[in-house]
Amino acid sequence: NAGVTQTPKFQVLKTGQSMTLQCAQDMNHEYMSWYRQDPGMGLRLIHYSVGAGITDQGEVPNGYNVSRSTTEDFPLRLLSAAPSQTSVYFCASSRGGLGYTFGSGTRLTVV
Amino acid sequence: EDQVTQSPEALRLQEGESSSLNCSYTVSGLRGLFWYRQDPGKGPEFLFTLYSAGEEKEKERLKATLTKKESFLHITAPKPEDSATYLCAVQSLYSGGGADGLTFGKGTHLIIQP
Repeated sequence: NAGVTQTPKFQVLKTGQSMTLQCAQDMNHEYMSWYRQDPGMGLRLIHYSVGAGITDQGEVPNGYNVSRSTTEDFPLRLLSAAPSQTSVYFCASSRGGLGYTFGSGTRLTVV
Repeated sequence: EDQVTQSPEALRLQEGESSSLNCSYTVSGLRGLFWYRQDPGKGPEFLFTLYSAGEEKEKERLKATLTKKESFLHITAPKPEDSATYLCAVQSLYSGGGADGLTFGKGTHLIIQP
């Protein structure tokens, strides 16, 4: 099993550009989440999903969109990148909302 | 609002020198408290889930305990490979971030010197 796979691992964007961070899991987990990790801030929840077709906002959702068309995939879209979105992004999944498995992260720089 | 405070921010130990990391929390109904290990450039790796006060869990040199206000991660006779950042998180039954969301502390950066 691959677990939680995130792509790309690194990305540099110009302000105003859009992009999609990919996340896929092969564990048949119904719960999936996106977090961002910033120095001195800890991990913060952006969006989450409790199953295909169901998404909701977390603590810091502004500037990000998500959709969940399949159990396996949970992409995160940046609509118009801003320097404040420079961060490391982690996708996580779990069965029943407990004991999350995290991906290896996407390091995003917005210039 | 759920809050998690970890202390110390950083800890340097000699190999074999046992110690404890603290995680203080406030939550409106605890669904679970989680400990993760994070190595540089990698995602958090799940260690333990604790559900109720008095519960304890062990894994190799690590032991996690839980009270109504805090959790401790005890490290016994650590080795250099235990060096990492240890993260604590809580999940609330009534989280404003959604029933799915974890609230994380900022972590304790642990260095074990040979």
